[in-house]
Amino acid sequence: DTGVSQDPRHKITKRGQNVTFRCDPISEHNRLYWYRQTLGQGPEFLTYFQNEAQLEKSRLLSDRFSAERPKGSFSTLEIQRTEQGDSAMYLCASSPDPGTHNEKLFFGSGTQLSVL
Amino acid sequence: AQRVTQPEKLLSVFKGAPVELKCNYSYSGSPELFWYVQYSRQRLQLLLRHISRESIKGFTADLNKGETSFHLKKPFAQEEDSAMYYCALGFSSASKIIFGSGTRLSIRP
Repeated sequence: DTGVSQDPRHKITKRGQNVTFRCDPISEHNRLYWYRQTLGQGPEFLTYFQNEAQLEKSRLLSDRFSAERPKGSFSTLEIQRTEQGDSAMYLCASSPDPGTHNEKLFFGSGTQLSVL
Repeated sequence: AQRVTQPEKLLSVFKGAPVELKCNYSYSGSPELFWYVQYSRQRLQLLLRHISRESIKGFTADLNKGETSFHLKKPFAQEEDSAMYYCALGFSSASKIIFGSGTRLSIRP
């Protein structure tokens, strides 16, 4: 197992275009998280899944953002009508089912989005 | 509001000196606290978490609920400790995990 995989590594797009990122978690990990990170800041929570169910979405997240995990395995994050402010590193993380305690997060290398 | 605060953007110490990276949190429930680390050109990874009461690479952290703090400490810094360190807060419902803004630790030879 090579860990959490994200694709693409880099994405350059023009303002107004739609983009989609993919995350393949560690197999058998029930939880999948999306975070966004800008320069000088820590990872900002976007949303998370328990299997295929999206359990929480950040209130700060615009309606232009949508995430899916259709079969409880890989996940996609789509940004519609991109804006320059969307430029950031998008991180995916997965973890085993937490049970009563939060489990360790395993992070991917991220997708760096640049909106021109 | 639920929040993690790391007041220092940069901490620079000499090799062999003690290190303390500060972390304060705001949460009314039972918190679970973590320290994550990102070395140069590597992925973000877990360093330690309070429920394990462990020492990893010489680092320890004690949860102080009275002061709502979870400071990371190491008695003698090593050059390989240079990295970005993020404090993180998990909630009692085992839901999302939120992160602080991070502290860059630089160890001078």
